[in-house]
Amino acid sequence: NAGVMQNPRHLVRRRGQEARLRCSPMKGHSHVYWYRQLPEEGLKFMVYLQKENIIDESGMPKERFSAEFPKEGPSILRIQQVVRGDSAAYFCASSHTGSYNEQFFGPGTRLTVL
Amino acid sequence: QKEVEQNSGPLSVPEGAIASLNCTYSDRGSQSFFWYRQYSGKSPELIMFIYSNGDKEDGRFTAQLNKASQYVSLLIRDSQPSDSATYLCAVNWGNQFYFGTGTSLTVIP
Repeated sequence: NAGVMQNPRHLVRRRGQEARLRCSPMKGHSHVYWYRQLPEEGLKFMVYLQKENIIDESGMPKERFSAEFPKEGPSILRIQQVVRGDSAAYFCASSHTGSYNEQFFGPGTRLTVL
Repeated sequence: QKEVEQNSGPLSVPEGAIASLNCTYSDRGSQSFFWYRQYSGKSPELIMFIYSNGDKEDGRFTAQLNKASQYVSLLIRDSQPSDSATYLCAVNWGNQFYFGTGTSLTVIP
């Protein structure tokens, strides 16, 4: 009865490197959401995906950030050429049917950019 | 601009008391409403969700929704020290879920 899984739990990158964050939704869930949480701030929506489709990426920065949810395997949030301002906790949540349906969160990936 | 507002607190209540947490939202088109609990350094944990006007009870927790006034609240009865956490209100519009910045609750033994 595994919940939402994220890895790595902690990731350290130097400025200019790439960060790849992975999320495996709960069993039976096909909707994935990514959020970013800065210290002392709320969760900010980034992107909503279903298998092989990006449904809504309006919360994601236009440059350097991308997300995918392939037919097989986990959802991946990729941040290219990281900067110090990207340091945050990144949470993935999954739901069964999307809107109206409750989301369940993974443990998060804490990204630190040196 | 869709906004979800919460009093950041901190809110302190004695053990055994009722804690009342409030949340207002800006858009009447909102569809569903959620309360999450987040301990420091941890991920949000779903407590309750509510879709219809009125009250919804689950154990020591009661969610109250008033769409006309655009607010949703969470009552915690018989508060315990383990309830000390940040409580996040979330509102669903279309594909997106908007979160408030959270209310910090401390239950004093």
